[in-house]
Amino acid sequence: QVQLVQSGTAVKKPGDSVRLSCKASGYTFSSYYIHWVRQVPGQGPEWMGFINADGGNTRYGPRFQGRVTMAMDTSTNTVYMDVSGLRSEDTAMYYCTRGLVSAIFDVWGQGTVVAVSS
Amino acid sequence: DIQMTQSPSSLSASVGDRVTITCQASQDIDIFLNWYVQRPGKAPELLIYDASSLEAGVPSRFSGSGSGTDFTFTISSLQPEDFATYYCQQYDKSPPSFGGGTKVEIK
Repeated sequence: QVQLVQSGTAVKKPGDSVRLSCKASGYTFSSYYIHWVRQVPGQGPEWMGFINADGGNTRYGPRFQGRVTMAMDTSTNTVYMDVSGLRSEDTAMYYCTRGLVSAIFDVWGQGTVVAVSS
Repeated sequence: DIQMTQSPSSLSASVGDRVTITCQASQDIDIFLNWYVQRPGKAPELLIYDASSLEAGVPSRFSGSGSGTDFTFTISSLQPEDFATYYCQQYDKSPPSFGGGTKVEIK
């Protein structure tokens, strides 16, 4: 079945960087985009950006431009997101989700907790 | 950025009740609106896309309507598994944006 499986919990200090991964299976990887969405507890989700699995072009949300980098490995159908300059406000659940350039998110990963604390 | 405002932020209802949630966009988004449900500890799940189209496999008790700036999401007969948080999301303009959520609780 169609699945997105994400990496495990990350505990970081302010100023650190983190790399999250999202492994896709059960569908043609290059036919979709992978978007990243984060959710602070008690708040609505927030879109961070996407990578087009057909070619690798990316687009990042204005709040994350310069701090987020998305990449992929087509040999393993895995997408990576690096977030640099972590601060306590980045503590959240991070989801990868499948869509197209039109942001209709039909499949979601299980989420990765990123906790940032000194 | 387009702001999405949901109301109410929470509601209490009983099994079998009809429940309606509204979502207002800060500018015209045509029909480019989705609805998701999020159960505790789980990722969101797509229920409705393009304002009124039911995602495959989603029960017909869920429905959506609206266009422009005002949208409505309805559960015709609330079931036990429907007690959760619901989000609207626009994708007419980048960045895509979500509402603050509506928590549906048991009365």
